[in-house]
Formats: sequence, structure tokens, C-alpha cells
Amino acid sequence: DGGITQSPKYLFRKEGQNVTLSCEQNLNHDAMYWYRQDPGQGLRLIYYSQIVNDFQKGDIAEGYSVSREKKESFPLTVTSAQKNPTAFYLCASKMERQGHQPQHFGDGTRLSIL
Amino acid sequence: AQKITQTQPGMFVQEKEAVTLDCTYDTSDPSYGLFWYKQPSSGEMIFLIYQGSYDQQNATEGRYSLNFQKARKSANLVISASQLGDSAMYFCAMSPQIYNQGGKLIFGQGTELSVKP
Repeated sequence: DGGITQSPKYLFRKEGQNVTLSCEQNLNHDAMYWYRQDPGQGLRLIYYSQIVNDFQKGDIAEGYSVSREKKESFPLTVTSAQKNPTAFYLCASKMERQGHQPQHFGDGTRLSIL
Repeated sequence: AQKITQTQPGMFVQEKEAVTLDCTYDTSDPSYGLFWYKQPSSGEMIFLIYQGSYDQQNATEGRYSLNFQKARKSANLVISASQLGDSAMYFCAMSPQIYNQGGKLIFGQGTELSVKP
């Protein structure tokens, strides 16, 4: 079945540590997105990529980095510069770069500070 | 500024009754898309329904319908015949103009719906 796979489901970060969240899709979608969700809040855009080897900052990119070396994969690194990383992280993809198709989401990764 | 507003933090509905979740939006773009997503307690985001700004008719998908009032900039979700499984957070979202935005979504704060047996 086609879909978006995020791993791990739960992740713990120590002080000063970088951690990487995985996002893989087999939907052949061009565009991919990373969102952050804090408790009781809506989603905020961290980074997005419309095409391989290209990505743009979203509204809250500070302390995060991404890469898009393959169409299927869009990993997110939470760096030590992100002082408040505890949140639920959702990856999404969309068929075309532009237009108003719905985004499809993975099941999310919950990140906590040790 | 482009913004989505959901004014109902939480709502209750009796099983088998209909419920309306409010959503207003703010944009100056002539072309935009409006979406509703459901987020159960497990966390995944489930796409429910889409309305394009140029669509003449209100969107419907099974028990879900979108009451689109363009002049009022509102896009309310109507769930008919509520079921216990409808208990979840519901998010309204907007995708701004087609070009130069990368298809990103702007989300509201969400409404938590609880269905009572």
C-alpha cells in the first residue's frame, strides 16, 4: 500500500544532541513538508521541498535542517540550536508542487527532551 | 495576512445528531483551497474534504459537507449523523494562491469534538 512512513514513533533527545526524524513516501509525490504541533495547537510549517535537491524554510525553521537527496525521502534534523524541541512532528506529501491537492500525512514522531 | 480562525476550542454532540464546526479564513488571494482534517488521539492527520475558491457548489464527502460562504469568508464543516468514532480534533486549513507558495497549508487552532452516546 502507498503511504508515508515516519520513524521512529517516539524519540528522546539529550542536551546538545542532534537527532534526525525519518520520512519516506512511496506515493511518487513531488512535494514534501515538515510540520510541528505543540499540545492543543495547530500545525506550523518548518520546511518544505517541491523538488529533489531543493527546499525552502517555513515559518519556524530556526534550529532545524533538512535534505532532499531522493524524491522518496525528506529527513528532518533537530539540532542542538532548537532550545524547545519537545513536540509532535508530522511529515506530509502532495502530488504536485503547486495547486490545491490535499496533503497526505504520516503518523508522526513524538520528540521529548531527556 | 493569511490566517485561519476556529473559534470553538471544544464541542459536544449527541450520537446520531448533526454538528457544525466553524472556520473563518483571511486571504486576499483570488485562488485558494480550503481543507478539513481529522486528528484522532493517535495523532495521524486524516484528510476529510476540500473546497476550491472557484467551486460553485459546496463540497460533500459521505457524512461530511462543507458550508462555503465566500462573501463571509467562512468554510464550516458539517458532520451528519455523528458517530462515536467522530470524537477527535478537527482542523481547518487553507492553501494560498497557486503560485509561489509551494502548496503549503495554513492551519487553524483546531476544535475538539466529543460525541456522547
